[in-house]
Amino acid sequence: NAGVTQTPKFQVLKTGQSMTLQCAQDMNHNSMYWYRQDPGMGLRLIYYSASEGTTDKGEVPNGYNVSRLNKREFSLRLESAAPSQTSVYFCASSEWGSGQPQHFGDGTRLSIL
Amino acid sequence: AQKITQTQPGMFVQEKEAVTLDCTYDTSDQSYGLFWYKQPSSGEMIFLIYQGSYDEQNATEGRYSLNFQKARKSANLVISASQLGDSAMYFCAMREVLGSGGYNKLIFGAGTRLAVHP
Repeated sequence: NAGVTQTPKFQVLKTGQSMTLQCAQDMNHNSMYWYRQDPGMGLRLIYYSASEGTTDKGEVPNGYNVSRLNKREFSLRLESAAPSQTSVYFCASSEWGSGQPQHFGDGTRLSIL
Repeated sequence: AQKITQTQPGMFVQEKEAVTLDCTYDTSDQSYGLFWYKQPSSGEMIFLIYQGSYDEQNATEGRYSLNFQKARKSANLVISASQLGDSAMYFCAMREVLGSGGYNKLIFGAGTRLAVHP
């Protein structure tokens, strides 16, 4: 009954380092998303993948790349981390359809020094 | 552009009382949907309730109900009989359709922090 699993849960990076956040879902959902949550701003969409093999930019894509590895997995990469990317990152998945909710992972708390 | 506004940064309520969390939205779409999510201090996002723009009745899920007033563009969450475990951050979100295939993204408000007092 895992749902959406994100790894790691916490990470501290130095400016300029790179890393990949992993996300996997076991609900056979078509769509997957990456959001970031900053204090007082709610969640903002970074990238999304409507279906396996497709990815598109959201509101705040600069400094990030994504890979939809297969239907289950959607990773987010920071090529050269910057302090402005300190945030909590959430992965979500959903089925297609107007009323389908997005199901979220537990988040990754990322600090960049 | 679509926008969600939650004007109450913080609210408090006495245990067993009802509380209303406000949400107003702006969209030019005729077909849209509104979601409410709960984020406890542990950090996860929990889906609570959904209202579609064409739904004639207000959505209800247990102690949660959505007071949907289309003309006023508001979708307030009502929690009845508050419990201590309801203390959390609550986010209103609007569905934005991304393509013809039915996939969509969510636009979130800034959230309201609810504290339930014994």
